[in-house]
Amino acid sequence: GENVEQHPSTLSVQEGDSAVIKCTYSDSASNYFPWYKQELGKRPQLIIDIRSNVGEKKDQRIAVTLNKTAKHFSLHITETQPEDSAVYFCAAHKGGGTSYGKLTFGQGTILTVHP
Amino acid sequence: ETGVTQTPRHLVMGMTNKKSLKCEQHLGHNAMYWYKQSAKKPLELMFVYNFKEQTENNSVPSRFSPECPNSSHLFLHLHTLQPEDSALYLCASSQAGPGGEKLFFGSGTQLSVL
Repeated sequence: GENVEQHPSTLSVQEGDSAVIKCTYSDSASNYFPWYKQELGKRPQLIIDIRSNVGEKKDQRIAVTLNKTAKHFSLHITETQPEDSAVYFCAAHKGGGTSYGKLTFGQGTILTVHP
Repeated sequence: ETGVTQTPRHLVMGMTNKKSLKCEQHLGHNAMYWYKQSAKKPLELMFVYNFKEQTENNSVPSRFSPECPNSSHLFLHLHTLQPEDSALYLCASSQAGPGGEKLFFGSGTQLSVL
């Protein structure tokens, strides 16, 4: 089955700096890669996603890049703010089948942004 | 109320108890999921329901019994659990079809098994 590795497990940055979180996946059939943000005590929420036919996607201060050949994708947050502090999860979805929400998640990255 | 609602938010139970977790979605979705979130581990898919039919059981022990009476409601019945089952149990919903990869999560039930 699919395996997703996420690094680093913790990341500490100063406000205004950039943060990068990286994930690798094992199954070349995976074609959808979302990123979820989970603030303390709250639900995971989708913040950005990318499909395998696209190499990069940007939404204001966050961007995701995908390298299909190397089977890795990354989350980039620029101009970080204290409210960006949370746990970030990457995930991969393998196309086909009927379980569209069957995601394989990475272990999570605890991001702390210091004022 | 909108989104995905889970009750209770917290649950403490003994190993011989029987309890149920409830999930309700108000998004018009037709697929619902149970995920388990343990400390320092990735979110793990437990069960998938599409149009009330179970389509995935990710080798979950029988002490966890899901029920999906309709596309808006999902239950997880618990009995004779073990302390290692203590975790955050997250319900999610999505469209049952293309675009269904986008999951909408509830806030979860934090379960402690004593």
